[in-house]
Amino acid sequence: DAGVIQSPRHEVTEMGQEVTLRCKPISGHDYLFWYRQTMMRGLELLIYFNNNVPIDDSGMPEDRFSAKMPNASFSTLKIQPSEPRDSAVYFCASSPDRVYGYTFGSGTRLTVV
Amino acid sequence: KQEVTQIPAALSVPEGENLVLNCSFTDSAIYNLQWFRQDPGKGLTSLLLIQSSQREQTSGRLNASLDKSSGRSTLYIAASQPGDSATYLCAVRPGRGSNYKLTFGKGTLLTVNP
Repeated sequence: DAGVIQSPRHEVTEMGQEVTLRCKPISGHDYLFWYRQTMMRGLELLIYFNNNVPIDDSGMPEDRFSAKMPNASFSTLKIQPSEPRDSAVYFCASSPDRVYGYTFGSGTRLTVV
Repeated sequence: KQEVTQIPAALSVPEGENLVLNCSFTDSAIYNLQWFRQDPGKGLTSLLLIQSSQREQTSGRLNASLDKSSGRSTLYIAASQPGDSATYLCAVRPGRGSNYKLTFGKGTLLTVNP
């Protein structure tokens, strides 16, 4: 398996623009998680899905953030409009169930200027 | 609310030394605990996963222990090498309810000097 695949690896955008981050989980993993990592706050869970259904989105910072999982092999995290304080590394992870651990993607480094 | 603390925040050791990284958590009702490694600018690589019913897990030069009742875990690295230099994070999964999200510590930045 190729692991969790995220794209793009790097994204630089101007304030106010829409940004879409993409994730392909490992096949057969029913859980998908979006995390954000900053120096100040460390790793924070934004939202997670079970069988394509959002379960907990309490970590989504504002209405500017939205996430979707239209099918078992694809998820997006969208920021509209983007702001400089959204600059961070965004990670996607997947897990087959509670017993097994997480597998993380390589992340998307977002810079909003 | 679960809180995970890792001490020390940074550690620098000479090559060949054995070392211990610490992780503590406030709510002992966990399902499992996972140790990760993160290299600069990279994603997280899973090192060891310990279920709540287990006391320790070993992989090569790494040994992770878990004392759930006291809310502690340690990651032991034997005969450290410069290639072990990275940030090490621990994360716990809740044991109650159906919430499956991990809570992470801030990590320990390890530098192994040749």
